[in-house]
Amino acid sequence: KNQVEQSPQSLIILEGKNCTLQCNYTVSPFSNLRWYKQDTGRGPVSLTIMTFSENTKSNGRYTATLDADTKQSSLHITASQLSDSASYICVGERSNDYKLSFGAGTTVTVRA
Amino acid sequence: DTAVSQTPKYLVTQMGNDKSIKCEQNLGHDTMYWYKQDSKKFLKIMFSYNNKELIINETVPNRFSPKSPDKAHLNLHINSLELGDSAVYFCASSRTSGSAGANVLTFGAGSRLTVL
Repeated sequence: KNQVEQSPQSLIILEGKNCTLQCNYTVSPFSNLRWYKQDTGRGPVSLTIMTFSENTKSNGRYTATLDADTKQSSLHITASQLSDSASYICVGERSNDYKLSFGAGTTVTVRA
Repeated sequence: DTAVSQTPKYLVTQMGNDKSIKCEQNLGHDTMYWYKQDSKKFLKIMFSYNNKELIINETVPNRFSPKSPDKAHLNLHINSLELGDSAVYFCASSRTSGSAGANVLTFGAGSRLTVL
């Protein structure tokens, strides 16, 4: 079973609307959680990285939250733009061997 | 431009052939990686090199052989290609490995390999 599960698998939103992506992880021992954005045909690009002591971190219109107790993270996109259409990947890192576990990603499509 | 660059971007070949993918980074990072992204979009680590030394070697068929001539380059050679090798292969680099949160990855654009 993968150690990082993301939902939904995909979603479609209208330009200007907000959306929230979910990530549940079982990575243990836990070090940090990252969110990456992957445009079609490109490599993933880092959006945020949060350690277990951080609850929220923002990068422009992207805001990530982390609840280390429930082992859940979310990525909120505010006032979506067409350029936000991409796959968003949640990644957990273990603290003992620094191994990264990747989720399958959520594909976001923003329509005008 | 500072980046991780990999070539070729697309590679179509027949089963049984041998092919290589090259990767170079000019970010001054000392750790480089190869990841495989399959049709289900999962990114799976294959290899990791730190200063030309192999530090991660996941369960990958020995038909795959990485080579790091220096810390700015990490090439991937694949022998006797099989249909299941079709995927997108990403090269990545990071500042260092071995400390929590340090290995924020910078990825290349990917090399799409199609085996016919």
